[in-house]
Amino acid sequence: SAVISQKPSRDICQRGTSLTIQCQVDSQVTMMFWYRQQPGQSLTLIATANQGSEATYESGFVIDKFPISRPNLTFSTLTVSNMSPEDSSIYLCSVNREFYYNEQFFGPGTRLTVL
Amino acid sequence: AQTVTQSQPEMSVQEAETVTLSCTYDTSENNYYLFWYKQPPSRQMILVIRQEAYKQQNATENRFSVNFQKAAKSFSLKISDSQLGDTAMYFCAHAGGTSYGKLTFGQGTILTVHP
Repeated sequence: SAVISQKPSRDICQRGTSLTIQCQVDSQVTMMFWYRQQPGQSLTLIATANQGSEATYESGFVIDKFPISRPNLTFSTLTVSNMSPEDSSIYLCSVNREFYYNEQFFGPGTRLTVL
Repeated sequence: AQTVTQSQPEMSVQEAETVTLSCTYDTSENNYYLFWYKQPPSRQMILVIRQEAYKQQNATENRFSVNFQKAAKSFSLKISDSQLGDTAMYFCAHAGGTSYGKLTFGQGTILTVHP
């Protein structure tokens, strides 16, 4: 299994500011994913991040709002830009288990509150 | 597009008893994977069990088993000998065979195990 860490674990931010969330994996992985979990809701995929290429965004999510970086095979960042209270959510990164592409491991999540 | 539906927002069970959580899905893919994830209050997503659609045999992991009815597009989770540590939110999820890890989640079922 992969060990995934996220920073920060939680944050409280002011409206209009931006927050960058980091995701670190203890082994090299091809694909990393970013999910959003709004309060009391299920998880929704924001984007898929592959090393060396632009992230692929799901419907309803745009790069200007959620820019993603993937500088190497063990690290990715998600930025939540120009935040509003509606962005208050848990943000989770996940990775595929190598050679079992449809089995994912999740990070512990970042709980974001926007005032 | 894939959809996953969990019709039971909340369930409860007495310790040591058996409980079944329901899940139905819709997919256009011939090859796909189904999962049950557990999210305790710590919010860490934990994979409980995994089923490949091409396998007729129902998956089993210790006290956890599934009833996979492919024609009916049903994928229920049975928890036997329920333990207090099973208290969590349970998510059913689908991944298409070519989606390489992009998961579609159901709405979740909150399971409470009572002593």
